[in-house]
Amino acid sequence: DAKTTQPPSMDCAEGRAANLPCNHSTISGNEYVYWYRQIHSQGPQYIIHGLKNNETNEMASLIITEDRKSSTLILPHATLRDTAVYYCIVRLAVGVYGGATNKLIFGTGTLLAVQP
Amino acid sequence: GAVVSQHPSWVICKSGTSVKIECRSLDFQATTMFWYRQFPKQSLMLMATSNEGSKATYEQGVEKDKFLINHASLTLSTLTVTSAHPEDSSFYICSARDFYEQYFGPGTRLTVT
Repeated sequence: DAKTTQPPSMDCAEGRAANLPCNHSTISGNEYVYWYRQIHSQGPQYIIHGLKNNETNEMASLIITEDRKSSTLILPHATLRDTAVYYCIVRLAVGVYGGATNKLIFGTGTLLAVQP
Repeated sequence: GAVVSQHPSWVICKSGTSVKIECRSLDFQATTMFWYRQFPKQSLMLMATSNEGSKATYEQGVEKDKFLINHASLTLSTLTVTSAHPEDSSFYICSARDFYEQYFGPGTRLTVT
């Protein structure tokens, strides 16, 4: 299954947009890009996912490049509560039969520190 | 959104004893449940996958006789750490999946003394 590469840490000023990059150069055609975050000592929280079109929800926007080899998660107005480890994961969609490739396998993620 | 609960949220036990952790999907039926373990400053590591009514599938390197998983219903899975030792001290997180998506519990902090 495809692997992802993320920077280990990033800083962002409170109120500014946080742009978190992710490389997934070996992604296959039917694999989605998922983003989760984990605030310290809590379980992961789903943020957003997409296949090839850009996606937006109440939490964030996901920009996927045309060749799908990389993506960027955008938090439009970062707050102190957005400080967390952000994980970019590629896998088949839940409803698609794929056995092992349906599992969420976490990499090392990006620690986003939002500064006041 | 869908809610997954875990109980207890933290537990301290003595070496050699067994500890059971419960994971419940509160407002949906989970076709599949997952158990993860996380050591300090590390990422989540998938331990096992379980489907209701069948045996769990363990990831390579995870001892199935030490980490007993029971998925008796579509809303409940349990993880029992048998004969716990200090090296089993960790943050255990369950996850439940319905047809559409996967949701995570808040985690259980296990400390073995």
